[in-house]
Amino acid sequence: AQSVSQHNHHVILSEAASLELGCNYSYGGTVNLFWYVQYPGQHLQLLLKYFSGDPLVKGIKGFEAEFIKSKFSFNLRKPSVQWSDTAEYFCAVNMGSQGNLIFGKGTKLSVKP
Amino acid sequence: ETGVTQSPTHLIKTRGQQVTLRCSSQSGHNTVSWYQQALGQGPQFIFQYYREEENGRGNFPPRFSGLQFPNYSSELNVNALELDDSALYLCASSLQVDLEKLFFGSGTQLSVL
Repeated sequence: AQSVSQHNHHVILSEAASLELGCNYSYGGTVNLFWYVQYPGQHLQLLLKYFSGDPLVKGIKGFEAEFIKSKFSFNLRKPSVQWSDTAEYFCAVNMGSQGNLIFGKGTKLSVKP
Repeated sequence: ETGVTQSPTHLIKTRGQQVTLRCSSQSGHNTVSWYQQALGQGPQFIFQYYREEENGRGNFPPRFSGLQFPNYSSELNVNALELDDSALYLCASSLQVDLEKLFFGSGTQLSVL
């Protein structure tokens, strides 16, 4: 079955540390890839997306992600996290011609001031 | 703000009861998708409505049903509630089936006792 895996359940970092959150998917066809963020008490917001072109995509708030097709991965990175980045991060994949997203289980990020 | 509003925000029901959740999509959006987010999990696709017709369904039993109205607002109905139906139910709207511009509501937290 098609699935999305996020490697880390909970990540704790100090401010200014670098962040990398892993995401892998299982599907051999064309994919569209997304990272969403959910701040405490708020709705899901799109951080960035990849549909085609440059596999290194930049999103809002200094986040970026790299699509590596051979590894079926779409890892999220940020060079220097801030306390305000404390949130839950979800990787999501759209597979083929379907109109829905398949989400990973999420990674909770806690940033210590 | 996303412009997608869901009601109620919280709901408590008992096993076997029926529940209706409501979603008002962003102005002009004709596509609504519903997702279930169980505790500690990522959102899971229930179904999608496009111009009042069901346009895709996830792996949920028939007791999960929906409607989309001419003004593109939507309802999610769940019959014969089970304890495992306790979750956050998210509504997302877009213009056409456009995953690049998908806006989520803040959800309805359903507790089944």
